[in-house]
Amino acid sequence: EAQVTQNPRYLITVTGKKLTVTCSQNMNHEYMSWYRQDPGLGLRQIYYSMNVEVTDKGDVPEGYKVSRKEKRNFPLILESPSPNQTSLYFCASSPRSVGGAAETQYFGPGTRLLVL
Amino acid sequence: AQKITQTQPGMFVQEKEAVTLDCTYDTSDPSYGLFWYKQPSSGEMIFLIYQGSYDQQNATEGRYSLNFQKARKSANLVISASQLGDSAMYFCAMREGVQAGTALIFGKGTTLSVSS
Repeated sequence: EAQVTQNPRYLITVTGKKLTVTCSQNMNHEYMSWYRQDPGLGLRQIYYSMNVEVTDKGDVPEGYKVSRKEKRNFPLILESPSPNQTSLYFCASSPRSVGGAAETQYFGPGTRLLVL
Repeated sequence: AQKITQTQPGMFVQEKEAVTLDCTYDTSDPSYGLFWYKQPSSGEMIFLIYQGSYDQQNATEGRYSLNFQKARKSANLVISASQLGDSAMYFCAMREGVQAGTALIFGKGTTLSVSS
């Protein structure tokens, strides 16, 4: 089954304790991205990657790191989490097509993070 | 200025009725794509429908159709014959430019409640 998986799905942590949220896709997509969703703000992009070893900042990158060592994986790293990073996080992937409906981004199930 | 505007925080409809969720967008790029996603209470993001800026006809997918009015920069989602399972948050999103895989810009969402 074609899918994007994220782990963990739920996480409660404390300020300053480093954590990693994993993301993996089995569709051989070149493009992967992380979003965070906050009430009243919709989804905002954190980081994205056009291919292996190619990453760039989105709209809200502060406090986050990413890496893309393999095509299928795109982990999100919070080196020193703070309460304002409490949010719902989504990983997404899409093929690098020439456009159209084929470029639809497929989302993982989401990770709910609470930073105390 | 917001690039995607969804002016209806909440909508209420009865089963079997049609409902229109509004979305207006702002871009100066002649090439863009418009997407609608559904987010049920379980949290996942489900792709519903896509409209390209050069598409001549309005997109349709089953009970979903997109009322695309390019001159007015609107891309309203129409759900025909509402079902209880349609109760969810709905997001309108836009991709600007021709490069596939670029970030989706999301609106703040509309909560749809369908009653029996």
